[in-house]
Parts: sequence; C-alpha cells; structure tokens
Amino acid sequence: QVQLQESGPGLVKPSETLSLTCTVSGDSISGDYWSWIRQPPGQGLEWIGYISHSGSTNYNPSLKSRLTISVDTSKNQFSLRLSSVTAADTAVYFCARDTYNSGRHRFDSWGQGALVTVSS
Amino acid sequence: DIQVTQSPSSLSASVGDRVTITCRASQPISSYLNWYQQKPGRAPKLLIYGASTLQSGVPSRFSGSGSGTDCTLTISSLQPEDFATYYCQQSYSSLFTFGPGTKVDAK
Repeated sequence: QVQLQESGPGLVKPSETLSLTCTVSGDSISGDYWSWIRQPPGQGLEWIGYISHSGSTNYNPSLKSRLTISVDTSKNQFSLRLSSVTAADTAVYFCARDTYNSGRHRFDSWGQGALVTVSS
Repeated sequence: DIQVTQSPSSLSASVGDRVTITCRASQPISSYLNWYQQKPGRAPKLLIYGASTLQSGVPSRFSGSGSGTDCTLTISSLQPEDFATYYCQQSYSSLFTFGPGTKVDAK
C-alpha cells in the first residue's frame, strides 16, 4: 500500500522560499504523476501542480511564476519550492499520487498534510 | 479556467437518510470528475472517479452519476462515519479545479 509523507519547515518568513519534500513508500515514483495540493485554514482545496516520473510538469497558472516541482527517483521523493511567499500562502500542503488513466487524473493516495505558516 | 460549483454548500441529515450532492462545471467536462471525502484534520479520500467508478475499498452506499456539466454524488443510506465535507474535482482541463465543498452534518 502506497504511503506519502510530507516534510519541511512549518514556518517560513514572508518573501522567502517555501520548500517541502514528499517521500513515497510502497510504490515506485517511476510511474504515474505526483501532485501537490494545498488548503488554507478553514478553506477549500487548491491544486498546485504535478510532475511525472520523467520530470514533465504542469503548474497552476496562478502560481507558475513562483513554483518549481522536482523529482528525485533515486530517493523516491518529489519536492515543492514556492518562492516569494506571503501570508496568503499559509496552508496545509498535501502531496498526492496522481493516477492517470484514459486521459483522466485522480488523486488516489494522499499524505497526511503539512501545515506551513508564513509569518515573520 | 473551468469553474466548479457545488450544491448545497451544507446540509443536515440523519443516519439512514439518502443524501445527494450536485457538482456543476462551467463547461462540459464529460466524465472527468472525481469526488473526495474529507474529515476534520485529515487528508481527503478519493470516493468516486470518472464520475461513476467507485474507488476500491469505498462502501457501495456511495455512488456517482452524470456527465457533461452536471454530476451527482449520492449516499444511499447515511452512516455515522459519513459526516464530513465532500469535494468534487475536474480533470478535463490542464488546470485541475475543486468545487468549494459540501459539508454534511448531523440534523
């Protein structure tokens, strides 16, 4: 059974870069797609972007200028970097396996989520 | 961008009730629609994908239907563990979007 675990700093200063890593176990990252999704406190879900095992990416246009998602197949991990953060980036960040089939994507396994607060 | 709305935004129901939640897209999305359940402090859980396919391990009281612009999630007989927030999500466009959620609480 696949398991995903987010890790990274829980507090980031405004204008700095938010960095998170998702470690995947029970499945090889060399398949499917892998997504980041966030949820501001008390609010709904926002898809951030995905990366494929080959490194191709698709980003939410609203974040694209500040966003980098990368993959390290040797460590079975993928990572998120979001630059120039503001308080609006405060959220629980989830990583998820993004299963692609017949042209359709679905998030079928999720990490527990990591709360990242942007504050000085 | 494809906007996704849900109705109702919240509902109160009793155990054993039949519950229906609707998701509407701003343009046709065929059956590129998934449903998730989220409980407080937990990650979302996939219930239905492709508008009507039940995810492995999900109880059969959950079902999905529809295509085009309107899809529906139905819980045939609400159980105590089903009180939660439900989200729909489209993957028709390259920008995946979620609905705002429907909170199901106890009457």
